[in-house]
Amino acid sequence: AQSVTQPDIHITVSEGASLELRCNYSYGATPYLFWYVQSPGQGLQLLLKYFSGDTLVQGIKGFEAEFKRSQSSFNLRKPSVHWSDAAEYFCAVGSNSGYALNFGKGTSLLVTP
Amino acid sequence: NAGVTQTPKFRVLKTGQSMTLLCAQDMNHEYMYWYRQDPGMGLRLIHYSVGEGTTAKGEVPDGYNVSRLKKQNFLLGLESAAPSQTSVYFCASSWDFYEQYFGPGTRLTVT
Repeated sequence: AQSVTQPDIHITVSEGASLELRCNYSYGATPYLFWYVQSPGQGLQLLLKYFSGDTLVQGIKGFEAEFKRSQSSFNLRKPSVHWSDAAEYFCAVGSNSGYALNFGKGTSLLVTP
Repeated sequence: NAGVTQTPKFRVLKTGQSMTLLCAQDMNHEYMYWYRQDPGMGLRLIHYSVGEGTTAKGEVPDGYNVSRLKKQNFLLGLESAAPSQTSVYFCASSWDFYEQYFGPGTRLTVT
């Protein structure tokens, strides 16, 4: 079964600094990969997704992620973080044989002035 | 266009009480899902539905029941609430069972 690991529980970055959130997946075939963001007290919002094709995908709010099959990774990046990016970020993996998404446990991002 | 809505937003139950959480979507999505979110656990799938009149078990279905009598609604029931069911519950819906749209959540406390 597919699974997702987000190694970092908490990350703190300064406003304006670059950001990289790590996501590793376990799945035998080509996975379908997602990043969601959850602001405090809110539901989850899709940032971006990867199904196939170009391994660098662009999302909303200036985020991008790169699929690296050799490393089983799908890391989320942003060149310059804004204070409003402080939130919980979830990586998720799906497959073409099931309906469920498997979510990682999340990374909490704190942005300092 | 309200998207996915959940009722109620907050609820406190005593052990053994029952309740129903309502999820409604106005996007004409076929697929609907119920997740629970617990600290440090991410989201775990409780039940899901691939169309009106269908339901299926997810990762953590015990203690919950669901019904999808109308395409736009997906109900989650707790017949006899337990403290272990204290959680934040999220409903989601999708066209193609991948790009899921989430509701704002229901915070349930069972004492």
